[in-house]
Amino acid sequence: GESVGLHLPTLSVQEGDNSIINCAYSNSASDYFIWYKQESGKGPQFIIDIRSNMDKRQGQRVTVLLNKTVKHLSLQIAATQPGDSAVYFCAETPSNTGKLIFGQGTTLQVKP
Amino acid sequence: KAGVTQTPRYLIKTRGQQVTLSCSPISGHRSVSWYQQTPGQGLQFLFEYFSETQRNKGNFPGRFSGRQFSNSRSEMNVSTLELGDSALYLCASSLAVENEQFFGPGTRLTVL
Repeated sequence: GESVGLHLPTLSVQEGDNSIINCAYSNSASDYFIWYKQESGKGPQFIIDIRSNMDKRQGQRVTVLLNKTVKHLSLQIAATQPGDSAVYFCAETPSNTGKLIFGQGTTLQVKP
Repeated sequence: KAGVTQTPRYLIKTRGQQVTLSCSPISGHRSVSWYQQTPGQGLQFLFEYFSETQRNKGNFPGRFSGRQFSNSRSEMNVSTLELGDSALYLCASSLAVENEQFFGPGTRLTVL
């Protein structure tokens, strides 16, 4: 079936370091990609998105990279902070739908 | 502007019963989507509504149904509950299809 995969279930980083979370997607028809952060007991929170006509998009401390050739998406978090500890999901949206296809999630642990 | 609200937040039911969950989208948002989140299957798309019409449906049995009202509020219903229906049910709203989706806190359903 359709799926968006993440390469690592858990990522542990030192506070202040940069974090990179990777994701591989499989649906060539997807043209909109989103990263979400989910903290315990809460719903997913939008972090950053990118459309298929772009390769890179930057936000505050976060950057998303899209490589359509190899169907790869990554989230870079600069100067990772304890508050960044959460589960991160990538999601893709097939064209003309509001359906999000989520990956399995990567748990980011930030060590003080 | 208030976020997406879901009621109830927690629910305990027994096998065979039915349940109705409610979602109020962000004011002005016309698209509402529902997702099921479990530790084993992750986040899975249930269905999406726009202007009271179901536009997309995920791979769930017919026991799962939903609807959207003229004020964009949405409900989902699960009939003949099974133990495997225990999950966090998340609702997300967006201005329109293919726009950023904002999630509510979810309804935690436990089936005994």
